[in-house]
Amino acid sequence: GAVVSQHPSRVICKSGTSVKIECRSLDFQATTMFWYRQFPKKSLMLMATSNEGSKATYEQGVEKDKFLINHASLTLSTLTVTSAHPEDSSFYICSATALAGGHNEQFFGPGTRLTVL
Amino acid sequence: GQNIDQPTEMTATEGAIVQINCTYQTSGFNGLFWYQQHAGEAPTFLSYNVLDGLEEKGRFSSFLSRSKGYSYLLLKELQMKDSASYLCALTRGSYIPTFGRGTSLIVHP
Repeated sequence: GAVVSQHPSRVICKSGTSVKIECRSLDFQATTMFWYRQFPKKSLMLMATSNEGSKATYEQGVEKDKFLINHASLTLSTLTVTSAHPEDSSFYICSATALAGGHNEQFFGPGTRLTVL
Repeated sequence: GQNIDQPTEMTATEGAIVQINCTYQTSGFNGLFWYQQHAGEAPTFLSYNVLDGLEEKGRFSSFLSRSKGYSYLLLKELQMKDSASYLCALTRGSYIPTFGRGTSLIVHP
C-alpha cells in the first residue's frame, strides 16, 4: 500500500514557540492531504484539508492563523502550530488519499506527538 | 450532520470471538471503514464496506446493513496483539472519513 511519513515523530517545545510538522507521501502523489488531531482516548478530529497549490480548507472551529498549512508539492504538506500553548499538546496525524482495491483509501502517517511545556 | 456510535470499551479472552458494533445516522452515505489503532500509533486500514453483507479477511470480518445504519467488526481467534482501539468511519461524497470515538478492546489471557 501507499506510504505516508511524518516528521518529527515527537516534539517537546516551550510555550510561545512555533512547531512545524511535515507530512510526505513517499511512493505516490497526493493532491490532497488531511490533518487530524487526536486527544487521549478520543477520536480523530479532522482539522483541515490540505490542497496542493491552493489554500487549505479548515474545519469549523479550527483557527487557520494558529494552524498554518502549506502544500507546496504533490508529496509534501506541512502543518505549523504557531505560538504553541500547552492546550495545543496533542497527537497530530496526517493522511493522504490513494486508490487501493478499487476504492479511495486514507493512508495515515505515523503521527507526531506534540508536548508544549 | 452525522452521528456515529460505538461502545467505548470491550474486553475478551484470548482465542475467543468478539463483535464490535457501530451504528450511524448520516446522509449521502458512501461507505464505511474500520481501522485499528494501537496506542500512540496511526490508524491502520482493516476493511471497507460499500454494499450490504459480510466481507471476510482472515480473522477479521466486517458487516454492513445500509438500511439499518449498522455495521460490525468481527474478530476471531483473538490474540493479545489485537488489544487496540477499533475505529468505525463513514465516508460521504467527499470520501473524507468521519471517525467514531473508537472502541478500546482489551484482550486478556
